[in-house]
This record gives sequence, structure tokens and C-alpha cells, in this order.
Amino acid sequence: AQSVTQLDSQVPVFEEAPVELRCNYSSSVSVYLFWYVQYPNQGLQLLLKYLSGSTLVKGINGFEAEFNKSQTSFHLRKPSVHISDTAEYFCAVSRYNFNKFYFGSGTKLNVKP
Amino acid sequence: SQTIHQWPATLVQPVGSPLSLECTVEGTSNPNLYWYRQAAGRGLQLLFYSVGIGQISSEVPQNLSASRPQDRQFILSSKKLLLSDSGFYLCAWTVEGEAFFGQGTRLTVV
Repeated sequence: AQSVTQLDSQVPVFEEAPVELRCNYSSSVSVYLFWYVQYPNQGLQLLLKYLSGSTLVKGINGFEAEFNKSQTSFHLRKPSVHISDTAEYFCAVSRYNFNKFYFGSGTKLNVKP
Repeated sequence: SQTIHQWPATLVQPVGSPLSLECTVEGTSNPNLYWYRQAAGRGLQLLFYSVGIGQISSEVPQNLSASRPQDRQFILSSKKLLLSDSGFYLCAWTVEGEAFFGQGTRLTVV
């Protein structure tokens, strides 16, 4: 079975500072990895995904993530955050057939001026 | 393009009343469909998923049920709501490599 762990429930950061949101997964088989963002009272929007190929994945809004198979991690990074990045971020995994997506518990990013 | 419709956006229901949340998808056929619940301060919990008409898999035992009467329609129901059913319910469908979400229904059971 797959599981996803987001170690930080909340991350406060000042505007224009870099940020890293951590995600670790466990799986006995190969998985695909995703990061989603959720703004208040809205659905989830895909930020980026890793299916295969380069382990460094670039997404929307200046975010990127690196797949590290040996450490079973898929941490999300942004070199300089904006106030508008304040939202909740979810890491997710799916197996090759995409029948199920499993989400982490989420990390609330709070960007302060 | 594919779109997903979910309604209502907000709902306040008394304890013991029935529930019906509807989700429809446009622009695709035979999608995998999902219902998730997001309780306050918690992550997303997968409730049900369906790979075809009449095919429903339940992830956790609970007071809810799901049905898929048509290819692109997914319904979440309850005969008698509990206070613990309050939360934010999200419908989603997946295509290879991505999951798409509806805008969600905020359910408050009072």
C-alpha cells in the first residue's frame, strides 16, 4: 500500500524568502508523484507532476520539485515566495494505472509581508 | 476540454436528514471518478472511487454511500447524516497523469 507523509502541517515564511515543503512516500512499487495547491474553499489545482524522466520537475507559479528515489522524497521548492502563494499544498502519489490517488495531510504555507 | 461540475457549493443539513451530492464530468468518457472528504484541519480522505458504471469501491466504512448511474455522473449519498459528516467534499476524475477536481461542497451538519 502507498502512503504519503507531509512532515510540516504549517510553514510560515516571509515574502521573497525561499521555501521547501517536504513530502515523503512509501510504496513497494513504482509510483507517480504530484503536488497540488488548494486556495480557501476551492478544489485542488495541479502544480507539477513526476511521471518519468528528469528527476527535477518544474511546475506553475515558479515551483519545482525533485524526485529522490533513494530517499523516497518529492520535496517542493520555490526560490522566492509571494503573498499570493499563501495556500495549502498537498503531495500525492498514484500507481501506474492511476486508479487511486493518495494524498498527504497537507502543508499550509503562510507568506507574511 | 474536460470539465467537472459539483453541486451544491454549500449545504447546511440537520442531523438525521438525507444527503445527495452530485458530480458530473464533461468532455471525456469512462473516467475514473472519486469522492474525497476534507475535514477541518485534516488532509484529503478518499471515500469512494469508481472505474465504471455501477462499479463502486469504498475505502473506509462510514455513514455514506456512492452510486454511478451514468458514465459521467457520480453521486454521494447518506440516509441519515451525523455531525461527524461535516466537511468539505471534493469530486475528482483522473486521466493518465493527473487528477482534476470540482470546486467542492462545504457540508455543515447541525
